[in-house]
Amino acid sequence: DSGVTQTPKHLITATGQRVTLRCSPRSGDLSVYWYQQSLDQGLQFLIQYYNGEERAKGNILERFSAQQFPDLHSELNLSSLELGDSALYFCASSGDLGLRNSPLHFGNGTRLTVT
Amino acid sequence: SQELEQSPQSLIVQEGKNLTINCTSSKTLYGLYWYKQKYGEGLIFLMMLQKGGEEKSHEKITAKLDEKKQQSSLHITASQPSHAGIYLCGAAIWAGNMLTFGGGTRLMVKP
Repeated sequence: DSGVTQTPKHLITATGQRVTLRCSPRSGDLSVYWYQQSLDQGLQFLIQYYNGEERAKGNILERFSAQQFPDLHSELNLSSLELGDSALYFCASSGDLGLRNSPLHFGNGTRLTVT
Repeated sequence: SQELEQSPQSLIVQEGKNLTINCTSSKTLYGLYWYKQKYGEGLIFLMMLQKGGEEKSHEKITAKLDEKKQQSSLHITASQPSHAGIYLCGAAIWAGNMLTFGGGTRLMVKP
């Protein structure tokens, strides 16, 4: 058990809808990362938050947004969903802002299916 | 093209055999991380390599980092069915805060 909790485990929704994925980092970790894993694109970095502030942005679509709350949990919001958004969405956390001394610890992911 | 290339993409070995997975970067590495993923599940952290020439072992899995070649290898000795899964290398390529991942190596171990 990595200590990173993601909910829900599975989500099935229709095109055009909006969903929210939730992540609780490991106790004490200030950094939260979101990744998307699909068969054709592999594991892609979306966005990172550190102690409530956005610190790095990857290949995140404008229809997607995220935030980290004062209690350090994070939410990833996906809107105007398309079939191609179907994927496994992972949250990871680390203790540091950088990765020099602290690897990423991943949750079990949320599997999103858009129909 | 991928910034991190893993080879082979898939591997089927007989139980008890040794195997090696490679991860090569097209850019300067600032740390190399190995993860294992069971199908459809989360990534499990295996090892972190930060210095050239560094070698780490965990049970029957050994990883090395060759900074000059910008390459890391993961070696499994006497493979077991429990080693089956997807092995992913991740690297801090941009000296920054996030990991870029390779495409993964799918390992099957036949009993």
